[in-house]
Amino acid sequence: SYELTQPPSVSVSPGQTATITCSGDGLDGKYTYWYQHKPGQSPVVVIYKDSKRPSGIPERFSGSNSGDTATLTISGTLPIDEGDYHCQTWDISTAIFGGGTKLTVL
Amino acid sequence: QEQLLESGGGVVQPGRSLGLSCEASGISFSSSGMHWVRQAPGKGLEWVAGIWYDGSKIDYSDSLKGRVTISRDNSKNKLFLEMNDVSPEDTAVFYCVRGEGGSGLGVFDIWGQGTLVTVSA
Repeated sequence: SYELTQPPSVSVSPGQTATITCSGDGLDGKYTYWYQHKPGQSPVVVIYKDSKRPSGIPERFSGSNSGDTATLTISGTLPIDEGDYHCQTWDISTAIFGGGTKLTVL
Repeated sequence: QEQLLESGGGVVQPGRSLGLSCEASGISFSSSGMHWVRQAPGKGLEWVAGIWYDGSKIDYSDSLKGRVTISRDNSKNKLFLEMNDVSPEDTAVFYCVRGEGGSGLGVFDIWGQGTLVTVSA
């Protein structure tokens, strides 16, 4: 079955750029979606179809997908960006999530 | 206001069945593919099942196939999930999620607040 791999944790200083990767075989042949999940809240999509940003999501969030790796980039990271980030794709009609990455801003 | 509201969570004994409901409001429910996604404590998100807008196509996670049933009632704007023979490993927050379009095979753009299911004797 298809798998997505994320680093368990990423740390970044405020104002710096955070990079979260998501790896899977031939991932650039699929769309990747990114969800932000803060404690006590429901997940929120921050990037869809590799690089599109929903309305209301700050411009500091961007995404790319090349080869076997999709990347979520947060430029000028703020403390409010701290939380878990999950990548997701589709394997035909099955949704596949990565294991999630805990982003710490300190 | 677009909203998905889950209900039915609580404590379930191992080996028993659980039933969850999700009521949609503020969205075109009958035109939307819908899903259940769960998150066990300390774990990542796990897709459970999805159903097309008209119920004509249903897909299940391989790991849960045979133990779960997803269904919908468009006349009541409701989504349902039944899970049989639960074990402590099924303890999780279950989210009702709207997918993109009638198939739901795209972005998960609306999430419910989640309902906690605890499997314990």
